[in-house]
Amino acid sequence: DQQVKQNSPSLSVQEGRISILNCDYTNSMFDYFLWYKKYPAEGPTFLISISSIKDKNEDGRFTVFLNKSAKHLSLHIVPSQPGDSAVYFCAASEAAGNKLTFGGGTRVLVKP
Amino acid sequence: EPEVTQTPSHQVTQMGQEVILRCVPISNHLYFYWYRQILGQKVEFLVSFYNNEISEKSEIFDDQFSVERPDGSNFTLKIRSTKLEDSAMYFCASSEDRVIGNTIYFGEGSWLTVV
Repeated sequence: DQQVKQNSPSLSVQEGRISILNCDYTNSMFDYFLWYKKYPAEGPTFLISISSIKDKNEDGRFTVFLNKSAKHLSLHIVPSQPGDSAVYFCAASEAAGNKLTFGGGTRVLVKP
Repeated sequence: EPEVTQTPSHQVTQMGQEVILRCVPISNHLYFYWYRQILGQKVEFLVSFYNNEISEKSEIFDDQFSVERPDGSNFTLKIRSTKLEDSAMYFCASSEDRVIGNTIYFGEGSWLTVV
C-alpha cells in the first residue's frame, strides 16, 4: 500500500536551519493531511494539519504546504532545534472518515 | 493536557495465547481506533469504533481480532490466538468527532512480542 509515500528516509540539518520534509500521495480522495512526530517507543504526536481547501497552514515554527495538483505536501520546520530530532510521519484521510493512511516516515536529525 | 493511556506498555506472550491490550481514550472523545506498527514498517490502521460498534476495519483485522468498550472509559483490543507476525507496537487513538479535520490523538503504545 503506497498511497502515501515519504521518499526521504532520513534528513540531517544544522540547528537553526530549515528542515523540509516531503510527502506524496496517490489517492485523489484524500481530503485532509496531517503530520505527526514520533520518538522511539512512543506514540505519534500530532503536529499540524491541513485540509484540501487550503494550500498553507502555519503554527509557530511549523508550516505545511499542500499542492493538490501535484498530490504533494511538505512540512517546513524553521528554525530547527535539537529537540526536533525524531521520526516525522505524513498521514492522510478521505473525506468520508478519519481512518489515517501513513507514510513510511522521515527520520530527522538536528545537529547542534 | 488530556491524553490517551495504554496498558501494558510491553507484553511478551507465547504463540497461540490470547492477549488483551487496554486503552483509556480521552474522556470527551467519541471515536476510538487501533493502529499498529510492525518494526521497520508503516503505522497501519486496524479498526475504528463508534457508538459501541465497529465503524471500519482493515483487512488485517481478521477474526482473530476483536474490540470492546466494556465500560464508560476503557477500550480494548483482543487477539484471540497470537501469531509470531502479530509482534508489533499497537497504538490506541481517539478523536472527539468524525468531522473531517478532527485530530486523532495517539497513546504511547503497547509493545507486543509473540514468542
